[in-house]
Formats: sequence, C-alpha cells, structure tokens
Amino acid sequence: DAGVIQSPRHEVTEMGQEVTLRCKPISGHDYLFWYRQTMMRGLELLIYFNNNVPIDDSGMPEDRFSAKMPNASFSTLKIQPSEPRDSAVYFCASSLSGINIQYFGAGTRLSVL
Amino acid sequence: AQSVTQPDIHITVSEGASLELRCNYSYGATPYLFWYVQSPGQGLQLLLKYFSGDTLVQGIKGFEAEFKRSQSSFNLRKPSVHWSDAAEYFCAVGARAGTASKLTFGTGTRLQVTL
Repeated sequence: DAGVIQSPRHEVTEMGQEVTLRCKPISGHDYLFWYRQTMMRGLELLIYFNNNVPIDDSGMPEDRFSAKMPNASFSTLKIQPSEPRDSAVYFCASSLSGINIQYFGAGTRLSVL
Repeated sequence: AQSVTQPDIHITVSEGASLELRCNYSYGATPYLFWYVQSPGQGLQLLLKYFSGDTLVQGIKGFEAEFKRSQSSFNLRKPSVHWSDAAEYFCAVGARAGTASKLTFGTGTRLQVTL
C-alpha cells in the first residue's frame, strides 16, 4: 500500500485566502484523523472521522476550519479565511478499527503570509 | 484528561552510546502507549506500542520501551545509537475512542547524534 497520501506537500498563501488540504487514507482503514503541528503547541488532534462520519471535532480551533470526508478514500481540511497564525504542518493519519495504530502521511506545510 | 510529559526537549549522544528517552503519562485507565519518530520533513513513523501483556516491548530499528505502571512511565531505550537515529521522538497515550485510539502526544524530544 502507498500509505497515507497528503497533498499538497507545501502551500504558501496570503492572509484571507481559502486553503484546502487533502488526504487519502490507507485503503480499508475506517478511521481518519487530522492533526496540526506547531512549535508552540506541538501535535494537536483537530478532528477525526469513523466511516466517513465526523466523531469529535472539539480540537478544531474555530469556525474558519472545516473538514469533510465525502467517501472512504478522501478527506479535506479547509481553512477560510486563512490567517498567519494558521501556519503549521498539518498531518492526516488513518487507522483500522480495533487495531489502534495510526499511520501518518508526510504532512502539508502551510505558510500564510 | 490524558496527558504526556517528555521532560527532555533536546538530547545529544555520541554514536555507539546508549540512549534513554523519558516519557511520563497521566491517564485514568490502562493506557495504550506509543513511541513515534519523525525525521525532518517527514511524517510520524511508529517505533513501538504497548497495549497489554509483557511490559518490555520491542520495536523497529533496535528500539525498546518499558511500561512501568507504578511510575506512569514508558521510557524508550536503545543500547547503541546510530547517526541515522537523529530525529524527533514523540511519546503518545491513546484513549479508547470507539474501536480506535485518540492519541495525545508529548512535546517531543529532539535527538542529536555526534560522530
């Protein structure tokens, strides 16, 4: 398997623009997690899905952030409008029910100018 | 609420020396415990995990960790470090979330290896 695939790897945008990050989980995995990594706050869980349904979005920082999972092989994390403080590395991870091991993608490094 | 403390932000060891990275956790029940490694510009790779049973667990790349319930610790060890082990190491505790684990990560320990 190719592992968890995230795109783009790098994104540079200007404040106020909409940003969409994409994730393809490992085939057959039924859990998908979105994390944000910053120097100040470390790795934070933003939201996770089970069978395409959002289960816990308590880590989403504010209404500017939204996440969707329209099918089992694709998820998006959208920031609208983006702000400089959103600059971070965003990771997607997936796991298989009952196995309890999360596999991470390579991340998207977002820079908001 | 669960939490993880990695007290060492940065550690430097010589190649061939032994290594121990500390991890303390707080969790109300029997935890799931993990160590992940992150190389620069890369995602997180699982080194090893503890779910139950033998408290000394073996992982990839020659790493091992020992779960000590009385000390709420899950320290990572390697008897002889290689230059390629230079990376950032994260300890995580997992809370059961349905049939998955919701992970809480420590702040990480950056390992530097001198030749």
